[in-house]
Amino acid sequence: NAGVMQNPRHLVRRRGQEARLRCSPMKGHSHVYWYRQLPEEGLKFMVYLQKENIIDESGMPKERFSAEFPKEGPSILRIQQVVRGDSAAYFCASSPQVLNTEAFFGQGTRLTVV
Amino acid sequence: GQNIDQPTEMTATEGAIVQINCTYQTSGFNGLFWYQQHAGEAPTFLSYNVLDGLEEKGRFSSFLSRSKGYSYLLLKELQMKDSASYLCAKVGREYGNKLVFGAGTILRVKS
Repeated sequence: NAGVMQNPRHLVRRRGQEARLRCSPMKGHSHVYWYRQLPEEGLKFMVYLQKENIIDESGMPKERFSAEFPKEGPSILRIQQVVRGDSAAYFCASSPQVLNTEAFFGQGTRLTVV
Repeated sequence: GQNIDQPTEMTATEGAIVQINCTYQTSGFNGLFWYQQHAGEAPTFLSYNVLDGLEEKGRFSSFLSRSKGYSYLLLKELQMKDSASYLCAKVGREYGNKLVFGAGTILRVKS
């Protein structure tokens, strides 16, 4: 049973380009959570999704950021017109249902905006 | 509020025992997670406490007091590889059933 898979592991984008980060949850998990982590800081919640539904996007910036979790395929975090301040590690976690047991994280995508 | 408080840094000696505390606001609380994160890596699940008391898993134990809004992670027989950041996170319906993290405690193990 593969763990949470994120790709790419590292992504370099020039200012103004788009970044697409992918997360495949563990098999049997239907809940996905995206977090952002700046160097030497804690994990900041961004968005919580179930299949085809956004449950909570209270941590997402209002502009340029969007997320989806389609019926088929991975969850996608999309950042349009990236700026230097978007450089961070983006982690996703998945759980089988509403969080009451355990939640596992992927290896993260490290986005660098140059 | 969703405040979760942990010490910023701790230092301990190889072979010793260290306790990392975490306090949180109790409203809507359902459970508490502990994760270990090495620099540049993903958080690794350590424990999840729902009920009061101590749960032991090898060298690591986690304690919860729901009424006091308090948890701790106990690491025994410290090894150099235990040098990492330790994150506590709470979950509960009031915060939308997602993990809400503290800032983490950086543990440095010295020989």
